[in-house]
Amino acid sequence: AQKVTQAQTEISVVEKEDVTLDCVYETRDTTYYLFWYKQPPSGELVFLIRRNSFDEQNEISGRYSWNFQKSTSSFNFTITASQVVDSAVYFCALSEKETSGSRLTFGEGTQLTVNP
Amino acid sequence: KAGVTQTPRYLIKTRGQQVTLSCSPISGHRSVSWYQQTPGQGLQFLFEYFSETQRNKGNFPGRFSGRQFSNSRSEMNVSTLELGDSALYLCASSQNVAADTQYFGPGTRLTVL
Repeated sequence: AQKVTQAQTEISVVEKEDVTLDCVYETRDTTYYLFWYKQPPSGELVFLIRRNSFDEQNEISGRYSWNFQKSTSSFNFTITASQVVDSAVYFCALSEKETSGSRLTFGEGTQLTVNP
Repeated sequence: KAGVTQTPRYLIKTRGQQVTLSCSPISGHRSVSWYQQTPGQGLQFLFEYFSETQRNKGNFPGRFSGRQFSNSRSEMNVSTLELGDSALYLCASSQNVAADTQYFGPGTRLTVL
């Protein structure tokens, strides 16, 4: 069965610090997709990135970067030079193409607080 | 393009009542999924619809049901409400079924008294 684990429940940093959010997943499928979403206090889940299991290239988008390592089943998310507006709950999610269609299995989420 | 919209945004019901939540997907998206978010259980998948057919269902009791219309709009219904049904209900849409990116609406906050 698929599972996503975000071991860090809460992280608190000071503005301009770099912060890494960890995500470890379990799946039996060879084809799967990994996602990160951000949930600000308003409640809406905001899509950040989608990565398929055959693409292990790291990705950078502005201050955000993602490190995908199949060998350790991890898909970690780093925010460089954090800002107060980055404060939110961040969710890692998994979708198994062969067995679950678009169904997302979410981790427990990491509450990130960036203090000024 | 307009995003996913959900109505109503807030709802208060009492135990035993039933409730219907509505979701309008992004234009052109044919798949709609529903999720329940609670502090204790986190984000859990309820069901997914594509072309008016339920394609996938999560582990929820039969009191939770849904449907999709020909214009891809979707509704979910919860009958005989229980206190534990209090949650944020999120709808997401995507272009097709297979592991496509899902875009979420703002959610409906349901409180059961």
